[in-house]
Amino acid sequence: SQKIEQNSEALNIQEGKTATLTCNYTNYSPAYLQWYRQDPGRGPVFLLLIRENEKEKRKERLKVTFDTTLKQSLFHITASQPADSATYLCAPTLMNTGFQKLVFGTGTRLL
Amino acid sequence: DAGVTQSPTHLIKTRGQQVTLRCSPKSGHDTVSWYQQALGQGPQFIFQYYEEEERQRGNFPDRFSGHQFPNYSSELNVNALLLGDSALYLCASSLEFPSGNTIYFGEGSWLTVV
Repeated sequence: SQKIEQNSEALNIQEGKTATLTCNYTNYSPAYLQWYRQDPGRGPVFLLLIRENEKEKRKERLKVTFDTTLKQSLFHITASQPADSATYLCAPTLMNTGFQKLVFGTGTRLL
Repeated sequence: DAGVTQSPTHLIKTRGQQVTLRCSPKSGHDTVSWYQQALGQGPQFIFQYYEEEERQRGNFPDRFSGHQFPNYSSELNVNALLLGDSALYLCASSLEFPSGNTIYFGEGSWLTVV
């Protein structure tokens, strides 16, 4: 069955350092992968989308890589700030005749 | 531009009761999906609606049903509530075309079954 694995334990990052979150997936080939941020009690907020033919995507202090051979995505936050504390969800996205379905990992909590 | 809006934000129901949750998609979006998120877990796909039809369904029993209206808004109904149905229910909307559009989530409806 399809499986998404993210760092299960909370990640404690010193202010100003780079945080790196890992997302590994097995048993399927997503057309693209989305990263979301979720604050306690709130809905997920879209951050970045990277397609299978893209190796890297950047947005301000965020960088995402997508390695379809390793079946892995890395999510980097540079110059971490206290406001970055949240849970980050990885969602490899399946496409089937235009239908999108997000399959989420359990998320990694960044402290 | 209003994002995805959901109601109610919180509700408490008793086992065996029925509940209806409502969602208005982001302006211009025509596709609505519903997800269930248990505490400490990632959201799980329930089903998706497009053109007022259920297009695909996740691994949820028939107690979970939905509807999409001509204005693209949607409802999620859960019958015969179980304690295990307690969760955050998220509505997500997107545009059908072009493919690969960003999916936007609402703030969710917290359901507690006692």
